[in-house]
Amino acid sequence: DVKVTQSSRYLVKRTGEKVFLECVQDMDHENMFWYRQDPGLGLRLIYFSYDVKMKEKGDIPEGYSVSREKKERFSLILESASTNQTSMYLCATTESKVPYEQYFGPGTRLTVT
Amino acid sequence: AQSVTQPDIHITVSEGASLELRCNYSYGATPYLFWYVQSPGQGLQLLLKYFSGDTLVQGIKGFEAEFKRSQSSFNLRKPSVHWSDAAEYFCAVGARGSQGNLIFGKGTKLSVKP
Repeated sequence: DVKVTQSSRYLVKRTGEKVFLECVQDMDHENMFWYRQDPGLGLRLIYFSYDVKMKEKGDIPEGYSVSREKKERFSLILESASTNQTSMYLCATTESKVPYEQYFGPGTRLTVT
Repeated sequence: AQSVTQPDIHITVSEGASLELRCNYSYGATPYLFWYVQSPGQGLQLLLKYFSGDTLVQGIKGFEAEFKRSQSSFNLRKPSVHWSDAAEYFCAVGARGSQGNLIFGKGTKLSVKP
């Protein structure tokens, strides 16, 4: 079974803090994704990576950056957290071959006060 | 551009009743289609997927879905709902060459009445 873990289930940070969310997968998948999920808006793609040190912007990259130094680890960075970044953050992985089934981590609920 | 529409934001059914959740997609070629379920506070779990072959696919927890190309639909069904099925359900579409990117619908929240 694919296992995708996220560093924290719940996180509370203050406005202006730098925040790191980490995602680790154990299945040697090439592609990794970060989403945020908000009520009524569904999942919105922030960034994705299809190889080590590669990254691509998703639909809402503003205010975020990412790092992928190792194949199994994909980090999401909030350089200066703001209250509008309070959300559920979900990491997912997939192989680079069809049908691209995505496997999700349990999520991190981030609150910025 | 690909898109996914789940017309129903919230559905309530009685326990034991049948269920159908609707999903319509927009894509020029044959898409890869998925249904995911999310329990409160959890990540998404794959229920079933379609990428070729038989248009009626079976998934986990007694769910099934049917791909209808003529209607651009991939509706999820279950003949008898259990209280534990209360969750949010997401339909997603993918495409060859997309590097694994999926487009997700906004979700349908299912409530189950005793």
